[in-house]
Amino acid sequence: AQKVTQAQTEISVVEKEDVTLDCVYETRDTTYYLFWYKQPPSGELVFLIRRNSFDEQNEISGRYSWNFQKSTSSFNFTITASQVVDSAVYFCALKHYRSSNTGKLIFGQGTTLQVKP
Amino acid sequence: EPEVTQTPSHQVTQMGQEVILRCVPISNHLYFYWYRQILGQKVEFLVSFYNNEISEKSEIFDDQFSVERPDGSNFTLKIRSTKLEDSAMYFCASSENYSTREAFFGQGTRLTVV
Repeated sequence: AQKVTQAQTEISVVEKEDVTLDCVYETRDTTYYLFWYKQPPSGELVFLIRRNSFDEQNEISGRYSWNFQKSTSSFNFTITASQVVDSAVYFCALKHYRSSNTGKLIFGQGTTLQVKP
Repeated sequence: EPEVTQTPSHQVTQMGQEVILRCVPISNHLYFYWYRQILGQKVEFLVSFYNNEISEKSEIFDDQFSVERPDGSNFTLKIRSTKLEDSAMYFCASSENYSTREAFFGQGTRLTVV
């Protein structure tokens, strides 16, 4: 089965704290793609990152970093020195190889991050 | 920066009425999607569309739903006879291809069925 689990429903931190959002996925395919999207209070879905299953390099973009571990089927997202503007719902998503000709994304339940001033 | 545009942002309709949700995908994208998010829940795939054909649809996408690309710029989702449980945020998305490229989402249309 293809599935994405974001076990943390809600996280609350104080500004400037680091925070890690967990994502665990299940797929039978050896080729797949992983994504993170941000949904701010305004409601739109904003693309953050895409990762291919054959590229296990971690990535850093400013205060954001992603840790992809195939051995544990995890694709965790860390925000360093969080800011109030980071408050949003964050979704992890999976596209498995057999959906590579249909584009279907499977989303996790989302993690609501609240950053308090 | 190019973006996916959805109209209206909010639609209220009576149960049993037909609604059409409209989307203008990013202009050089050829692959289109609709997703749904019931309030407080995860985002669910409805349908993907390419070359005037549905590529995949979920079990949610029953005979009450249809999609169309009526011209070179619009992509629509029609619900023929709305039910209360159709109330949700509907997201349109587009991408350059199905496999390696990410989908970009519109801001959503909140559909409320009363």
